[in-house]
Amino acid sequence: AQSVTQPDIHITVSEGASLELRCNYSYGATPYLFWYVQSPGQGLQLLLKYFSGDTLVQGIKGFEAEFKRSQSSFNLRKPSVHWSDAAEYFCAVGGLTGGGNKLTFGTGTQLKVEL
Amino acid sequence: SAVISQKPSRDICQRGTSLTIQCQVDSQVTMMFWYRQQPGQSLTLIATANQGSEATYESGFVIDKFPISRPNLTFSTLTVSNMSPEDSSIYLCSVASGTNTEAFFGQGTRLTVV
Repeated sequence: AQSVTQPDIHITVSEGASLELRCNYSYGATPYLFWYVQSPGQGLQLLLKYFSGDTLVQGIKGFEAEFKRSQSSFNLRKPSVHWSDAAEYFCAVGGLTGGGNKLTFGTGTQLKVEL
Repeated sequence: SAVISQKPSRDICQRGTSLTIQCQVDSQVTMMFWYRQQPGQSLTLIATANQGSEATYESGFVIDKFPISRPNLTFSTLTVSNMSPEDSSIYLCSVASGTNTEAFFGQGTRLTVV
């Protein structure tokens, strides 16, 4: 069965600092990988996705993520964080069985941005 | 991306009653899913809503408790039946245009059972 681990429950960074949110997955084949962001009281917004090809993917709002098969990781990065980035971030994996968009989510990382 | 409308956005319900949540998409989509997000938790897939046939439920979720309809390619409903306080959660509809394309989410329905 597929699973996702986000080791950091809470992260605090200063505005302007760089950010890396960790995500590790367990899946028997090449997974479909996603990062979503959820602001308070909102639904989920897709930041970026990896299906195949270039392992460094660019997303919206200046985010990027790198797929590393050898480490079973898909970490999310941003070079300079803005106060508006404060939210909860979810990593998710989709498999070929049942469709790449039938998702298993990690437990989420709550990002706080200090001004 | 598709525009997804969920109704109601929130509700407070008495235990023992049922609530039906609607998910409307502005374009035809192949895949529709329902997720639950319990307070302070991550999202868990309840079921895949299949057009014209019974939904496919994940382990731990049953049709009697969470009946789902999907009469066409743009609309689905999830009913939370015989509610208890443990059903207090955010319920989210998710859609995808194809089997292996990215999924988009509605704003969710925040349900509180008292």
